Amino acid sequence: ILNVEQSPQSLHVQEGDSTNFTCSFPSSNFYALHWYRWETAKSPEALFVMTLNGDEKKKGRISATLNTKEGYSYLYIKGSQPEDSATYLCASLNQAGTALIFGKGTTLSVSS
Amino acid sequence: DTAVSQTPKYLVTQMGNDKSIKCEQNLGHDTMYWYKQDSKKFLKIMFSYNNKELIINETVPNRFSPKSPDKAHLNLHINSLELGDSAVYFCASSQALEGRVFFGSGTQLSVL
Repeated sequence: ILNVEQSPQSLHVQEGDSTNFTCSFPSSNFYALHWYRWETAKSPEALFVMTLNGDEKKKGRISATLNTKEGYSYLYIKGSQPEDSATYLCASLNQAGTALIFGKGTTLSVSS
Repeated sequence: DTAVSQTPKYLVTQMGNDKSIKCEQNLGHDTMYWYKQDSKKFLKIMFSYNNKELIINETVPNRFSPKSPDKAHLNLHINSLELGDSAVYFCASSQALEGRVFFGSGTQLSVL
């Protein structure tokens, strides 16, 4: 089964700091890369779906980039706020294109 | 007006019992999934259905049997429940396999 790796596992920053996380995935047979935000006691919610090498997506203070040739994606949060505290998951379609496989997530904690 | 709804939200039962979790989506999606969240909050794919047809079954014991009566429903039946089945189970759907995934609110299963 496809291996999606995320780092760091957890991260603690101060309000106002900018931060970024990494997602790595096998670059062969790439279909799509997803980022999700998962708050405690809620369900994961999609942030971005990216398919093209060099893709950059932005939603408010959060943005993501994609490199399909080397198999990685970065998620950036500018000026972190306490409400950004959540687990950020990336996911990629498996090589057969039959299911979305999730990484173990990066848990972000933002202190005010 | 929930997009993906699953019931029950909590399920407490004895070892050896048979139970079902229901899932319905009103988004018109053609693909539905069951994910299991383990104790470390890792989301692991169990089943993937596309247009009512099973397309992936990831090393799940055959005590777990999904049933898709139509595209909008994917129910999960579990026979002879074991202690290790205790987890949160998430139903989800997407339009095509590469579309963003919408999750239900989860069912917390506790096997005593």
